[in-house]
Amino acid sequence: GESVGLHLPTLSVQEGDNSIINCAYSNSASDYFIWYKQESGKGPQFIIDIRSNMDKRQGQRVTVLLNKTVKHLSLQIAATQPGDSAVYFCAENMMNTGFQKLVFGTGTRLLVSP
Amino acid sequence: DVKVTQSSRYLVKRTGEKVFLECVQDMDHENMFWYRQDPGLGLRLIYFSYDVKMKEKGDIPEGYSVSREKKERFSLILESASTNQTSMYLCASSLNRGGKTQYFGPGTRLLVL
Repeated sequence: GESVGLHLPTLSVQEGDNSIINCAYSNSASDYFIWYKQESGKGPQFIIDIRSNMDKRQGQRVTVLLNKTVKHLSLQIAATQPGDSAVYFCAENMMNTGFQKLVFGTGTRLLVSP
Repeated sequence: DVKVTQSSRYLVKRTGEKVFLECVQDMDHENMFWYRQDPGLGLRLIYFSYDVKMKEKGDIPEGYSVSREKKERFSLILESASTNQTSMYLCASSLNRGGKTQYFGPGTRLLVL
């Protein structure tokens, strides 16, 4: 989920488990959402996106679910691997003075144990 | 694949120095962005540009300026670095005004002493 303060929430799983990372977004008018993965010392990497007219989208080993009623987004990672260890954060897209603007969550740290 | 590169991975500067951070993208994207990332605060938008020589303030532009002389290059300038500008700086690009997905560079970790 979203973090408050300096410490990221952490999800610890065993290799092979399924992981679910949650995100609450703020604006009911947001029309597009993205999940990013950020490994230590690297820039964020695009994982998967979803438009607001969808409630589910699947990629390779990842699924994003969107619940607009409660403004909630989740990322499901199947058969989690040690290489999935990273910080994951969601972003919501808003129009702001004629420009697309992404607003980012603060992230969840995923730790995968072998 | 989109490639966004940043000129330095690590920089150490002294208070009062002028600092230039360079970003280059190779996918002919129109939009480019500069963010800073701090623990617990997520990514905060400093400036963005939607075209050559165009710039728009983001959420935290104070103490920064930018330059976009060529489409592929977007520079962030700290006119007089201060210790509270110690941070991870991330550059991103997206296709055009309708392009919502942003692609990020590896980041520059700046330490101001």
